[in-house]
Amino acid sequence: ETGVTQSPTHLIKTRGQQVTLRCSSQSGHNTVSWYQQALGQGPQFIFQYYREEENGRGNFPPRFSGLQFPNYSSELNVNALELDDSALYLCASSLAGGGYGYTFGSGTRLTVV
Amino acid sequence: RKEVEQDPGPFNVPEGATVAFNCTYSNSASQSFFWYRQDCRKEPKLLMSVYSSGNEDGRFTAQLNRASQYISLLIRDSKLSDSATYLCVVNPHSGAGSYQLTFGKGTKLSVIP
Repeated sequence: ETGVTQSPTHLIKTRGQQVTLRCSSQSGHNTVSWYQQALGQGPQFIFQYYREEENGRGNFPPRFSGLQFPNYSSELNVNALELDDSALYLCASSLAGGGYGYTFGSGTRLTVV
Repeated sequence: RKEVEQDPGPFNVPEGATVAFNCTYSNSASQSFFWYRQDCRKEPKLLMSVYSSGNEDGRFTAQLNRASQYISLLIRDSKLSDSATYLCVVNPHSGAGSYQLTFGKGTKLSVIP
């Protein structure tokens, strides 16, 4: 069984740039959620995709956007990067929304300079 | 009041000790509860789900008190390998159907030889 894979593992971007992070869900999982984890904090929910549609969104501005593809993989796009966007971005996959727990990928560590 | 609040850490305990973590949540409509473990610079991993009847997995026991909106995790006979950050996680299971997870900040545990 393949777990959740994320790419890239590390990334350095300049303020104002745009970034795309990618996630492949665990085999059989149809729901993907994205979380942002700043240093010393718990992960914060960004949004969730279920069957290629956004299925809930946390308190993040519109410059955070996403996609889910027919194979359930997903992308997180962040425009106009700010220094505070520096964080570990975690993708989590689950079945049917996630009521039974999530499997997390190892994350993408984004540094904005 | 924060949605999920945990004991402030860090907890430094000797091997073999029993340690308890506590957590409170603010949304009384929350439906699912979990403890996740996160090693340094790694992704969170599901440790155990928490049920109203209480549940045990080896040295780990989790309890849920819905009336008090309180969750606990007890670790008996601590091992060096238990050193990690423990995250209390609540699924608000909102009416919109979004299964977002709400994380506490986490409590860091260091088990000392």
